[in-house]
Amino acid sequence: GQNIDQPTEMTATEGAIVQINCTYQTSGFNGLFWYQQHAGEAPTFLSYNVLDGLEEKGRFSSFLSRSKGYSYLLLKELQMKDSASYLCAPEGRRALTFGSGTRLQVQP
Amino acid sequence: GAVVSQHPSWVICKSGTSVKIECRSLDFQATTMFWYRQFPKQSLMLMATSNEGSKATYEQGVEKDKFLINHASLTLSTLTVTSAHPEDSSFYICSARDSLTNTEAFFGQGTRLTVV
Repeated sequence: GQNIDQPTEMTATEGAIVQINCTYQTSGFNGLFWYQQHAGEAPTFLSYNVLDGLEEKGRFSSFLSRSKGYSYLLLKELQMKDSASYLCAPEGRRALTFGSGTRLQVQP
Repeated sequence: GAVVSQHPSWVICKSGTSVKIECRSLDFQATTMFWYRQFPKQSLMLMATSNEGSKATYEQGVEKDKFLINHASLTLSTLTVTSAHPEDSSFYICSARDSLTNTEAFFGQGTRLTVV
């Protein structure tokens, strides 16, 4: 099975940096995805980490430590439109399994 | 980028009727597609894995006779909610990955089902 833990809610200020942590336990591990989901919409892909280390893509970066079962998503220069849920999804032997998601609220 | 099209985007049906939801991969082939359900303010829960040309694999607690899945081609999977009840009202989302490149999973737009 899979066990995924990430904070339920976070609040940050426009222009700031926020880090969303995710710890996981999974039987069989191929990689870890981060998705963004706005209310009432389907998730959109943000990043995919297979190897340990930091992957940077514009304002978003994602880090993975396979040995520790740990990942984080780093959002820089926060914008109001970044208010959304962020889903950590380790890829096991079959499908992606999603954590409960972190609802990020960006304030002016 | 790759696109997954899900139809309909919303549907209202009467209790006891059946509803079919389609999931199509538009520019890639997908031997495997996934069906998720999401209740308000909750995460996506995997319902079943749809396998082209064979039976779907259902997650524990998901009734296979109620949620019929058919994956007749490499670009189409369907989910039929049979004898729908109000508690089946939810957001249903499919996802698919390119069988050749096996990169990220792309999601359909989701289907908002309301059973009255």
